[in-house]
Amino acid sequence: DQQVKQNSPSLSVQEGRISILNCDYTNSMFDYFLWYKKYPAEGPTFLISISSIKDKNEDGRFTVFLNKSAKHLSLHIVPSQPGDSAVYFCAASSGSEKLVFGKGMKLTVNP
Amino acid sequence: NAGVTQTPKFRILKIGQSMTLQCAQDMNHNYMYWYRQDPGMGLKLIYYSVGAGITDKGEVPNGYNVSRSTTEDFPLRLELAAPSQTSVYFCASRPSGGSGNTIYFGEGSWLTVV
Repeated sequence: DQQVKQNSPSLSVQEGRISILNCDYTNSMFDYFLWYKKYPAEGPTFLISISSIKDKNEDGRFTVFLNKSAKHLSLHIVPSQPGDSAVYFCAASSGSEKLVFGKGMKLTVNP
Repeated sequence: NAGVTQTPKFRILKIGQSMTLQCAQDMNHNYMYWYRQDPGMGLKLIYYSVGAGITDKGEVPNGYNVSRSTTEDFPLRLELAAPSQTSVYFCASRPSGGSGNTIYFGEGSWLTVV
């Protein structure tokens, strides 16, 4: 039973355009959501997060939107850059010690 | 500024062999984790610890053991390696507290069991 779902395994966009990465969750107890970015042969690194009391959080080119009623969040990257090419993981926490991850989505930004 | 350090980075094991993946963090974090990532899959939690002397099972603990004798170290032991344990292993840590504390990952350990 996958609690955090990233249904699209990959996305390809042109440099300068918007990248939209989606994530759905099933556990209504989740109260904090995070996005991690992973380059090949490296560990995941934290990108941006959002608390369930908010519906939007912005950090430079990265914005995360949360729709609690739909149990859906999305990461927007504007403008996309070739260096953004990586695997992006959505993760969620319910106040416990554990973080639940999605399967990841591979983003490719073409020059 | 080491953060989370994992060793070894790469290892090939024969079926039935044992080994320990080492993990150390220098951020004085109470919480530490071991995840594995299989190709095309997300990160699955193997074991975690909320402090020295305390460990608990995650989603996929079978075939592994852990110990947490100090705040800094959280080794993962494979007792009888099996091909199904071929994976990339990530150690991570974060401060105690609410959900909002970020988790920091090591660079990963690539393990192949043949």
